[in-house]
Amino acid sequence: EPEVTQTPSHQVTQMGQEVILRCVPISNHLYFYWYRQILGQKVEFLVSFYNNEISEKSEIFDDQFSVERPDGSNFTLKIRSTKLEDSAMYFCASMRGYTGELFFGEGSRLTVL
Amino acid sequence: KNEVEQSPQNLTAQEGEFITINCSYSVGISALHWLQQHPGGGIVSLFMLSSGKKKHGRLIATINIQEKHSSLHITASHPRDSAVYICAVRFQGGSGSRLTFGEGTQLTVNP
Repeated sequence: EPEVTQTPSHQVTQMGQEVILRCVPISNHLYFYWYRQILGQKVEFLVSFYNNEISEKSEIFDDQFSVERPDGSNFTLKIRSTKLEDSAMYFCASMRGYTGELFFGEGSRLTVL
Repeated sequence: KNEVEQSPQNLTAQEGEFITINCSYSVGISALHWLQQHPGGGIVSLFMLSSGKKKHGRLIATINIQEKHSSLHITASHPRDSAVYICAVRFQGGSGSRLTFGEGTQLTVNP
């Protein structure tokens, strides 16, 4: 069964370091998302990506964040200079059509020290 | 403000019991998702609804658009159903397809 894969599963980094989280969405999907979940809190939307550009972003997604789909298969989230409050589980998700079912990856746990 | 409320926050049941988890939302939606989050953190989509009722195995999801309310039912609950169940909606009127999530319901089913 097709699935969304994310790497790494867990990353520990020092405050101020750059982090790249990688996702491989399901191959025929067109809509891509990053969500995050701070420990003990609800899942929050970060950004959506369609047709090779950002279609929507939340107030959390500031200039420290960027997304890319560099090669038609990977979908990456970059955090330029991590802060303690960026510690969270980051989920990638993809969807074939605008009204379709959403498929999530297993998540990448980011710990910023 | 576009909000999603779930109840109860925590639910403990005995194996075999019928479970109901509720979700209400503040304004019109175009779709509602029920998701399951495993103890390890991974999220699995259970249902996507825009009207009526859907059934998959022991799981049933219903939605009442007029009442702005949805329920997830689990029949003959089993310890392996223990997880966090999350309601997430796509609100109408926005230009995007983002989901707004509820806080989740922690379900524990004891043998």
